[in-house]
Formats: sequence, C-alpha cells, structure tokens
Amino acid sequence: EAGVAQSPRYKIIEKRQSVAFWCNPISGHATLYWYQQILGQGPKLLIQFQNNGVVDDSQLPKDRFSAERLKGVDSTLKIQPAKLEDSAVYLCASSLVGGQGEQYFGPGTRLTVT
Amino acid sequence: KQEVTQIPAALSVPEGENLVLNCSFTDSAIYNLQWFRQDPGKGLTSLLLIQSSQREQTSGRLNASLDKSSGRSTLYIAASQPGDSATYLCAVRTDYKLSFGAGTTVTVRA
Repeated sequence: EAGVAQSPRYKIIEKRQSVAFWCNPISGHATLYWYQQILGQGPKLLIQFQNNGVVDDSQLPKDRFSAERLKGVDSTLKIQPAKLEDSAVYLCASSLVGGQGEQYFGPGTRLTVT
Repeated sequence: KQEVTQIPAALSVPEGENLVLNCSFTDSAIYNLQWFRQDPGKGLTSLLLIQSSQREQTSGRLNASLDKSSGRSTLYIAASQPGDSATYLCAVRTDYKLSFGAGTTVTVRA
C-alpha cells in the first residue's frame, strides 16, 4: 500500500513570495491533515479535512495561508505572502476515519524563507 | 487546552542500555496516546498506539505504558542500538485533535 505522498520535499523562497505544497493521502482515507512543525517543536495542526469539507482550521493563519481539497482526495496548502517565521516542515497526514483513527504521515516539505 | 510535555529534551546513552522516555499531559480526558519516531528530514513513523482503556502496549523491544489518571506515559526501549537514534514524539488525542510534545532526541553511542 502506498503511503502519503508530498511534494516538493524542499523549497527555498524569499519573504513575500508565495509557495504551494501538494499532498496525496493513502487511497481510501477520508480525513486529511496539514501540520506545521517548527524546528525543535512538535507538529501543530493547521487544518483538518473530512472528505472535501473543513473540520477544523482554527490554527490556520487565514490572512496568508489557504488550503483546499476540492475532490476529496489530494490537497494543496498555499502561503501568500510568506514570512520568515513560516520556515518549518509542513507535514501531511491521513486517516481512514476522522477523529480517533490512526494517522499516517508523509515525509514532509521543508520550507526555508529567506 | 491540552499541553504535552516530554522530558528530557535530549538523551545520550551507550549501546545496550535501556531507554526510558517520559511524556506528560494536562487533560486526562483522552481517547488514546501514540508514540512516534522521527528521523532527520523525514516524516513521523507510528511506533505504538495505546487506547485510553489500556495500561500498556508492546511491540518487540518497545513497551509503552499509560497512566491516564496521572497524565503520564512512558516509552521503554530495551537493549538500545545505534539505529534507535532519532527523535521520539508522543501525541495525545482529545476529541478529534492530536496534540504533540516537542520530542526527546535520542543518541545511542556505539
């Protein structure tokens, strides 16, 4: 069974530029999560989708971050414009069922904002 | 708000020694607790998941205990090997959210 796929793996941009990350969850997984992991910290949930609907985006900085999962499968997370403090690893995870289901994580995208 | 703490932040042991990693959480109303391993530049790999009704879970050299009432979990790794060097994170689920600790970075010296 293929795992959670993410691309790109690494990205370096200048502040005020925009960037997009892509995630393809495990086939059949209805729930998809985006996390931000700053160096030395644990992952922080940014947004959770159940199929193509948003369950929780309370910690998503909506003035600059946006995410979509239009067909209930793959998802895109965008940052526009980027700030220095957005430098982090962005992790995508999926689970078969929402809430209590075990989450499976992708390899992450390491973003550096200069 | 659930707060998850892992102490120590870093640990270095000689090969063969047993590892003891601690995790504490503030809200005991959890569904489950999960231990993950993270290698540099990689995502998270699930090691063990303990349901709130369980006291412990074992997989090979790994054993995790859960004391929900006191808000604590401990991950034991027996007979450590250099390949066990990684960052270990615990995460607790309350409602539908997973709250993570900052992790313990383990170095096993050959």
